[in-house]
This record gives sequence, structure tokens and C-alpha cells, in this order.
Amino acid sequence: AQSVAQPEDQVNVAEGNPLTVKCTYSVSGNPYLFWYVQYPNRGLQFLLKYITGDNLVKGSYGFEAEFNKSQTSFHLKKPSALVSDSALYFCAVRDGTGNNRLAFGKGNQVVVIP
Amino acid sequence: EAGVAQSPRYKIIEKRQSVAFWCNPISGHATLYWYQQILGQGPKLLIQFQNNGVVDDSQLPKDRFSAERLKGVDSTLKIQPAKLEDSAVYLCASSLEYENTGELFFGEGSRLTVL
Repeated sequence: AQSVAQPEDQVNVAEGNPLTVKCTYSVSGNPYLFWYVQYPNRGLQFLLKYITGDNLVKGSYGFEAEFNKSQTSFHLKKPSALVSDSALYFCAVRDGTGNNRLAFGKGNQVVVIP
Repeated sequence: EAGVAQSPRYKIIEKRQSVAFWCNPISGHATLYWYQQILGQGPKLLIQFQNNGVVDDSQLPKDRFSAERLKGVDSTLKIQPAKLEDSAVYLCASSLEYENTGELFFGEGSRLTVL
């Protein structure tokens, strides 16, 4: 079964500094990878996805993520963090060979310090 | 475009009582999902519908949870009887088609507290 690991509970970063949220995954086939963001008392919002093609994918709000097959990672990045980026970030994976279930990681709380 | 609608937003009940949550997906979305999000954890899929048929309910505790999507549009998730460990946010999501590459659109969730 597919699974996701987000090793850090909380990521603290100063405003204007680069932001990285780590994600590693496990699937039996080719992975379909997603990042979602959750603001307080709101549902999850889609940020970006990797299906195939270029390993660097760009998404909403200036976020990007890099797919690394050898390290089974899909880290989320933003070159310059904003206070408004403070939220809960979830990595998720689907097995591209047929199991359509989307498995989420436990999430990372990002705190951007003014 | 209207998003995924859920109600109620908050519900407090005592253990052994029953509760029902309602979801109306985005118009035209064939696939509907119910997720359970316990505090400090990522969402866990409870059940997935394609139109009005169940695609995946392998993680649904069927002794107490049930869900239906009779006309292939809106859906109801029921818990009867509730246990303390059912306290969570219940998220409904929908997607355009039953396929692996599309993103899910989530509602704001229904927060359940079981006392």
C-alpha cells in the first residue's frame, strides 16, 4: 500500500527566507504526488502535483516541488516565505498502477516568523 | 464555481448517540470521497464513490459507519453509535473523474466532538 512520510512536525522560517517542507513516499508502481495546504478551520486546497515529465513542478502561490525518484522524495519549496504561508501542509501519493486511493502524510505545520 | 458544501460545520454529541453529515460536491464531479482527519494526523479515506457506486470502503468501520450517495450527487455519512475515538473532522471531497491524476476539491469539513 502507498504511504507518505513527513518527518518534521513543525517548520519555522523567517519571512523572506527559503522554505522547504520534506516528503518521502512509498508506492509499488509509479507515483502520482500531490501537495495540499490547509488553513485554520478550512478544507484542504490543492497546491501542485507531479504525474510525469519535468521533475520540477510549479504550483500556486509561488510554490514548487522537486520529484526525486532515486530518493523517493517530493519536497515542497518556496524561495521567499511570506507570513501568509503559515499553514498546515500535506503531501499525498497515489499508486499510478491502479489503486486510486490517495494516501496523505501526517502534515507539517509551517510557521513563518515576521 | 461553487465549492464542495458540507453541513453541519460543528457537532457535539455524547458517546453512543448517532450523527449524520451531508455533502454536496462540485457540480459535474463524478467521484466523491469521505475522509476522517483526527487531530495531528493526515486525512484517512473512509469511502470513495464513483457516481452512486462504492469504489473503496476498505477503511470504513462498517459496524458503526455508513454512507450513501443514492442519486450520484450529494452524500450522507452516518455514525451510529458514536465512540469517543470518532472525534475528528470529517472532510468531503470531489473530483471530476475516476482517475489517478486529478486533484481533489475539499469542503471545509464537519468537526465532530464526542463526549
